[in-house]
Amino acid sequence: DIQMTQSPASLSASLGETVTIECRASEDIYNGLAWYQQKPGKSPQLLIYNANSLHTGVPSRFSGSGSGTQYSLKINSLQSEDVASYFCQQYYNYRTFGGGTKLELK
Amino acid sequence: QVKLLQSGAALVKPGASVKMSCKASGYTFTDYWVSWVKQSHGKSLEWIGEIYPNSGATNFNEKFKGKATLTVDKSTSTAYMELSRLTSEDSAIYYCTRGQPDYYDGYYHAYFDYWGQGVMVTVSS
Repeated sequence: DIQMTQSPASLSASLGETVTIECRASEDIYNGLAWYQQKPGKSPQLLIYNANSLHTGVPSRFSGSGSGTQYSLKINSLQSEDVASYFCQQYYNYRTFGGGTKLELK
Repeated sequence: QVKLLQSGAALVKPGASVKMSCKASGYTFTDYWVSWVKQSHGKSLEWIGEIYPNSGATNFNEKFKGKATLTVDKSTSTAYMELSRLTSEDSAIYYCTRGQPDYYDGYYHAYFDYWGQGVMVTVSS
């Protein structure tokens, strides 16, 4: 099974700041990587697929990058509505999720 | 628009089973795999398994083999998941999702582009 290690587990940032969340796969996942946002009490929502493709309707301040085993999600100019938990997911070989990152405002 | 409408919360006794539903609308139900995902309280997400409505073919996370049974009713565009021999470890929110195909390397892969609202299952005597 492919394991996904996500960091940090929690993050505190100020409005307007740039935030980066990392995800490491236990083996090469060939860009089969998605990022999801989950707000409290809500279902996860797709942000990024294929490591760097923005899902329809997602603000352009979100971006994904990486290759091989290392991937990252960047949020530029943090907005209050970005307060949420973020999860990476590999879908190269079935599906595995990272442990999540809880993003709060400083 | 695409919607996945799940059944309501369930309170079940240890050792019992629970069956939940996921009614799809806004797309051709038989064209997309449906996956189920578990989220234990305050924790991360676990993929349980998936079913292809057109054929009934299934794939499972090894951890959930024998625990989860996946079925569909094509006539009502509804997917079902039954969890058996419930324990407190099964208390969680369960989501159904639609698998969006991604053939980026020529092979089938799928991420989740739509999610149901979730079903909270509480196992308690």
